[in-house]
Amino acid sequence: GAGVSQSPSNKVTEKGKDVELRCDPISGHTALYWYRQSLGQGLEFLIYFQGNSAPDKSGLPSDRFSAERTGGSVSTLTIQRTQQEDSAVYLCASSLDWSDLYGYTFGSGTRLTVV
Amino acid sequence: ILNVEQSPQSLHVQEGDSTNFTCSFPSSNFYALHWYRWETAKSPEALFVMTLNGDEKKKGRISATLNTKEGYSYLYIKGSQPEDSATYLCAFRARNNNDMRFGAGTRLTVKP
Repeated sequence: GAGVSQSPSNKVTEKGKDVELRCDPISGHTALYWYRQSLGQGLEFLIYFQGNSAPDKSGLPSDRFSAERTGGSVSTLTIQRTQQEDSAVYLCASSLDWSDLYGYTFGSGTRLTVV
Repeated sequence: ILNVEQSPQSLHVQEGDSTNFTCSFPSSNFYALHWYRWETAKSPEALFVMTLNGDEKKKGRISATLNTKEGYSYLYIKGSQPEDSATYLCAFRARNNNDMRFGAGTRLTVKP
């Protein structure tokens, strides 16, 4: 596609429910990143996928968070048993590869609210 | 730990004022420094990528400088306009790191 597409744009969920957030990167981009921004905080790195390599999961805040990337394209971030502190804007970005300085493109994000 | 700090956290200026923000980052293992502009409900938009010490970039009324030895970058906006209102993010990339580490941003509000 022409840009990075994320869905849904907004999600309100009850505490304890599971949610899935979707990211569709730019076609041909092998690197895909998930970030989140909690209120008043900077963008926090969550997870990075590069091609068929094992993902860098070092930023995932707890084992309730997981992500997968099917066929090297679409990625899904899953949050199990959501907590109120999971409320944030979740951003996805993609680039040609990790060294690509100029093609790092963000989606418009998913605003998650846990009530 | 890759600490990226931005100041001020927020800034209110009048239309026509010039302003600047600071981004500080680790001075070792530098690869690149990015500036983004992020409007509410939109995607962060890339402004500049800076890779060399002493780099200066300019885009219209916005410019940026880079000092990798001391670990800081300044973003300048000349003659601020209401449409410049946004959060300005800087992001640091270290060599052999897969991702960008972002600061918390500076939220700029320009009053007409």
